[in-house]
Amino acid sequence: NAGVTQTPKFRILKIGQSMTLQCAQDMNHNYMYWYRQDPGMGLKLIYYSVGAGITDKGEVPNGYNVSRSTTEDFPLRLELAAPSQTSVYFCASSRDTEAFFGQGTRLTVV
Amino acid sequence: AQSVTQLDSHVSVSEGTPVLLRCNYSSSYSPSLFWYVQHPNKGLQLLLKYTSAATLVKGINGFEAEFKKSETSFHLTKPSAHMSDAAEYFCVVAANQAGTALIFGKGTTLSVSS
Repeated sequence: NAGVTQTPKFRILKIGQSMTLQCAQDMNHNYMYWYRQDPGMGLKLIYYSVGAGITDKGEVPNGYNVSRSTTEDFPLRLELAAPSQTSVYFCASSRDTEAFFGQGTRLTVV
Repeated sequence: AQSVTQLDSHVSVSEGTPVLLRCNYSSSYSPSLFWYVQHPNKGLQLLLKYTSAATLVKGINGFEAEFKKSETSFHLTKPSAHMSDAAEYFCVVAANQAGTALIFGKGTTLSVSS
């Protein structure tokens, strides 16, 4: 039982490059989320989705985009990477109130 | 708007002594509250959750939390700390009544010394 799987685990980007962080869950959860974690700041919600084809902004959506074409997948896209996007990114999914988290993607923008 | 405040950024205890991690919340309706734990370089794991049932909630690894509406608190406790409890702990409130979006506190780092 894989749960929530994120790829890659680590990535270094140059300023202005783009990339997609992948997230997949095998629990048939309707709800999926992307968070970023910065030191001493807890986790901030970037985007979330309540089902396939439906997405909405969280607290810090600027500079990111998402799509949800299937129940299983919820990729996060960075179009023009900036140093402020250096962070650890967590994907999560839930059926109700309990969220299950992936292992995270550590992204550095230089 | 919903929010949580973790009152201590760092707590240090000795192995075998009690643990208290403090959390106050703000919510315009009866909240759903959670504690998550994050071990170094790992994802987050749910310790326990309160969703308007019993006010004393028992979680994994001997942790428990008490929901006190009059004090707007949801403190996490454990009678006896173990070295393996050293981690980052997050108090979390649901941002909507469906519990589908979570607002995290800034975290409390728990250190356990032998």
